[in-house]
Amino acid sequence: AQSVTQPDIHITVSEGASLELRCNYSYGATPYLFWYVQSPGQGLQLLLKYFSGDTLVQGIKGFEAEFKRSQSSFNLRKPSVHWSDAAEYFCAVAENTGGFKTIFGAGTRLFVKA
Amino acid sequence: DAGITQSPRYKITETGRQVTLMCHQTWSHSYMFWYRQDLGHGLRLIYYSAAADITDKGEVPDGYVVSRSKTENFPLTLESATRSQTSVYFCASSESRTSYPYFGPGTRLTVT
Repeated sequence: AQSVTQPDIHITVSEGASLELRCNYSYGATPYLFWYVQSPGQGLQLLLKYFSGDTLVQGIKGFEAEFKRSQSSFNLRKPSVHWSDAAEYFCAVAENTGGFKTIFGAGTRLFVKA
Repeated sequence: DAGITQSPRYKITETGRQVTLMCHQTWSHSYMFWYRQDLGHGLRLIYYSAAADITDKGEVPDGYVVSRSKTENFPLTLESATRSQTSVYFCASSESRTSYPYFGPGTRLTVT
């Protein structure tokens, strides 16, 4: 069965600093991978997705993620963090055969220091 | 309104009562999902559906029942609510296996 691990429960970065949120997945075949963001009290918004092709994926709000098959990773990056990026970030993996279950990691909460 | 809606947005119920959370989407998406969100666990899949009349269990299905008689609706029923089912519940839908889930605004359920 597929699973997703986000090793960092929370991360604090200074405004303007770079950001990398880690995500490791377990899945037998090439998965579909997603990053979502959730602001406090809000629903989930898709940042970016990977289905196939170029392993470096660009998303909204200046985020990008790189799929590394050899490391089973899909880390999220942003070169310069803004205070409005403070939120919880979820990595997710979906099966691409048979049933289409999307499984989420436990999330990483991002705090941004002024 | 277009999109995916959930009702009610907030619900307080007592232990042992039956409660149904509603989910409605206007896109005619084939796939629909129910998740619960709890601190430290992220989102956990309760049930999902690939089409009308086709449902399957997710990671944490115990104590929940779903049905999908129409493509646009995917209600989630707690047959006999327990305090451990206090959570925020999210419904989601996706067009196909090559699409990503769109999420509803969530229902905050408290079981006393």
